[in-house]
Amino acid sequence: KAGVTQTPRYLIKTRGQQVTLSCSPISGHRSVSWYQQTPGQGLQFLFEYFSETQRNKGNFPGRFSGRQFSNSRSEMNVSTLELGDSALYLCASSVITQSSYNEQFFGPGTRLTVL
Amino acid sequence: AQSVTQLGSHVSVSEGALVLLRCNYSSSVPPYLFWYVQYPNQGLQLLLKYTTGATLVKGINGFEAEFKKSETSFHLTKPSAHMSDAAEYFCAVSESGTSYDKVIFGPGTSLSVIP
Repeated sequence: KAGVTQTPRYLIKTRGQQVTLSCSPISGHRSVSWYQQTPGQGLQFLFEYFSETQRNKGNFPGRFSGRQFSNSRSEMNVSTLELGDSALYLCASSVITQSSYNEQFFGPGTRLTVL
Repeated sequence: AQSVTQLGSHVSVSEGALVLLRCNYSSSVPPYLFWYVQYPNQGLQLLLKYTTGATLVKGINGFEAEFKKSETSFHLTKPSAHMSDAAEYFCAVSESGTSYDKVIFGPGTSLSVIP
């Protein structure tokens, strides 16, 4: 079974631009979460989508948005890029069951550099 | 509020030596505890988890961790380090196994293995 895939793997943008990142979850996984990883702030939760609906949201400004399609693929968008948005953006997918624990499987990430 | 501390941002061990990575947490409810590993240019991979039950948890690649409630610790160990263990290790705590917005990651410990 293929793992979580993220495209593109690397991006370079300039301040003020916008960017769209894509994530394809493991087949059968309907939950997709996004995380931002930076040296200063570490790993921070952005948002989670399940069945095309945002289920949870982290503490990020409205410039960060996302969506999920009917095939569970997800995109996140960052508008009006700032230098501080330079980070590794990780996507994770999960099967949602009635169990008290559902493991997340992470993709390799998209490295975004804002100049 | 939950929090995670990892003592030592960088740890170096000789090949074949004991690996000990420290993690302490705070949580107001019985926690879910995790250790993840991240290799360069890759996403996070779950090493092991504690949800309920046995406090000594065995994971992949020969790693194990022990949940000690009285010490609020969840230290990661491996009896004999291998060169392939060189990576970044993250401890995480959560009040839930399915609400990913509640997962708090530690700052990470970079493990170097000296031949």
